[in-house]
Amino acid sequence: NAGVMQNPRHLVRRRGQEARLRCSPMKGHSHVYWYRQLPEEGLKFMVYLQKENIIDESGMPKERFSAEFPKEGPSILRIQQVVRGDSAAYFCASSPYGQGGGTQYFGPGTRLTVL
Amino acid sequence: DQQVKQNSPSLSVQEGRISILNCDYTNSMFDYFLWYKKYPAEGPTFLISISSIKDKNEDGRFTVFLNKSAKHLSLHIVPSQPGDSAVYFCAALTQGGSEKLVFGKGTKLTVNP
Repeated sequence: NAGVMQNPRHLVRRRGQEARLRCSPMKGHSHVYWYRQLPEEGLKFMVYLQKENIIDESGMPKERFSAEFPKEGPSILRIQQVVRGDSAAYFCASSPYGQGGGTQYFGPGTRLTVL
Repeated sequence: DQQVKQNSPSLSVQEGRISILNCDYTNSMFDYFLWYKKYPAEGPTFLISISSIKDKNEDGRFTVFLNKSAKHLSLHIVPSQPGDSAVYFCAALTQGGSEKLVFGKGTKLTVNP
């Protein structure tokens, strides 16, 4: 019974390149959340998705960031034209329920370094 | 504007003693609270949660207490073990919305043998 899977675990990009982070939720979970953790900070909510729908993207930067959760395949967090300030750990979490309660289970994270 | 605050960045206790981690929140709309434990280079691991209709929840060595009037919760670990050494995050959410978790900055717990 695999947990939440994220890949890659580490990603190095140069300024201006694109970063693609992937997340496969736990089996049976249809709700996916993305969080970002900057050094010495707590996790900050970015976006909440269900299959083929963005439910809440209030934590996403207005530019360069996008997320999707297609009918088939993993959820993708995409960062275009990365800058040094994007360097952070990005965590994906999944939940079976969404609204009405339900603990979120986290993946191991992707550590993005922008050179 | 931090809605969830963990004012102690670190805590050190002796093995076998009690560890008490504290958390305060400002948003009265929060009605569900969770504690996560995190080791370096890993994702947060769910530990225990409590709904706002309760004031206590216990699971083995871990107990969470909620004081709604004070907007304060605490995690008690008894007895503390060296393997408990990690960063502990308090998180809160409002049920019925998007249920995004709002995290504190974490408290690093060190349990000394």
